[in-house]
Amino acid sequence: EVQLLESGGSLVQPGESLRLSCAASGYVFGSCAMSWVRQGPGKGLEWVSSISKSGDITYYTNSVKGRFTISRDNSKNTLFLQMNSLRAEDTALYYCTKDCGNWHQHDFWGQGTLVTVSS
Amino acid sequence: DIQMTQSPSSLSASVGDRVTITCRASQSISRYLNWYQQKPGKAPKLLIYAADSLQSGVPSRFSGSGSGTDFTLTFSSLQLEDFATYYCQQSHSYPFTFGQGTKLEI
Repeated sequence: EVQLLESGGSLVQPGESLRLSCAASGYVFGSCAMSWVRQGPGKGLEWVSSISKSGDITYYTNSVKGRFTISRDNSKNTLFLQMNSLRAEDTALYYCTKDCGNWHQHDFWGQGTLVTVSS
Repeated sequence: DIQMTQSPSSLSASVGDRVTITCRASQSISRYLNWYQQKPGKAPKLLIYAADSLQSGVPSRFSGSGSGTDFTLTFSSLQLEDFATYYCQQSHSYPFTFGQGTKLEI
């Protein structure tokens, strides 16, 4: 059974940093790209970042470029999102997804970890 | 960035209805169009990928169509468990973008 378990979300002040983790199990982690998608309170879905199977290629939405860094450790089946210089508008539930298909679809989602940026 | 526009934003329907939701891309995305279902308090779930391919385990009453800029998600006969919010997403070009969502209500 595929499982994606996010952790690391918490309440932080503007300008602070946070590192999210996503522990994967139930499939061959290194065989799939991975992504982070977020959802602000009462809002729609927003794609944040994706990383290739090997971790050598990364993509970001414009609003987080230069502040967030996606990475993965295939030996530990874990995906990360390092978030620096956090802003109030980064407040959201952050989902980890696995993207195993050829069409870059997010075929499985974790339950999310909540990040709240507030003073 | 490619803009995705869904219509309608909300829709009232009844069990057994045939319902169609549309999604339009601001430029051609070939068939790189995915549909997700999200129920309150739950993570989204992939329904359709590549415009018309049914994800494993998804009931056949769901179907997708389209290519280029115009796409549809159709429910052949609504069931009670289908009342949720639906999002389209283009995965043709980064940054990937979602539609604003369609809330399907009884």
